[in-house]
Amino acid sequence: ETGVTQTPRHLVMGMTNKKSLKCEQHLGHNAMYWYKQSAKKPLELMFVYSLEERVENNSVPSRFSPECPNSSHLFLHLHTLQPEDSALYLCASSRYPGLTYNEQFFGPGTRLTVL
Amino acid sequence: SQQGEEDPQALSIQEGENATMNCSYKTSINNLQWYRQNSGRGLVHLILIRSNEREKHSGRLRVTLDTSKKSSSLLITASRAADTASYFCATDPQETSGSRLTFGEGTQLTVNP
Repeated sequence: ETGVTQTPRHLVMGMTNKKSLKCEQHLGHNAMYWYKQSAKKPLELMFVYSLEERVENNSVPSRFSPECPNSSHLFLHLHTLQPEDSALYLCASSRYPGLTYNEQFFGPGTRLTVL
Repeated sequence: SQQGEEDPQALSIQEGENATMNCSYKTSINNLQWYRQNSGRGLVHLILIRSNEREKHSGRLRVTLDTSKKSSSLLITASRAADTASYFCATDPQETSGSRLTFGEGTQLTVNP
């Protein structure tokens, strides 16, 4: 887990708050991902960045706004969230999304609760 | 049903026994991967098997892949209490060429001491 770090680990916010999740990878990877994990549901891919350019956006509501300033850092900006957005948000990285053998390395996640 | 479905949803065994989890998928794939997740934590990559491979080993893990049946199995031998976790299969579909992994809902494994 030390290869990919996420902060904060826990976050409680109201529906009118604005907050940001941070992810940092120390593996020299070129691709980074945001996933949402809700109870009893498979991991949902939210965004993919490759070389700091967003290559995939899985029709995520605009209240989630990603930012990738460089290949080591990824942010997820949150505003006017809904209670159903409460979940574990996981960041991952891989060498490059176009590679065939692209195992992903995950951070520990941010447990988000929206009141 | 969706890509990457694990079976069973939950499995409870005694320490020392073997645990077998299965995964089925629907589309052609480049590879299939297995991940493990301890409660409320991030996923940890366990093993990757390519579409042209049939079996792969890593320590106490054995993975098989049958592309004709679009299925894979993960066998954990001589299980330990520390193996208690959720196990997910993830498929890398050929159509997306590595830009996306599709995860199943996972198998919750409990190994009783």
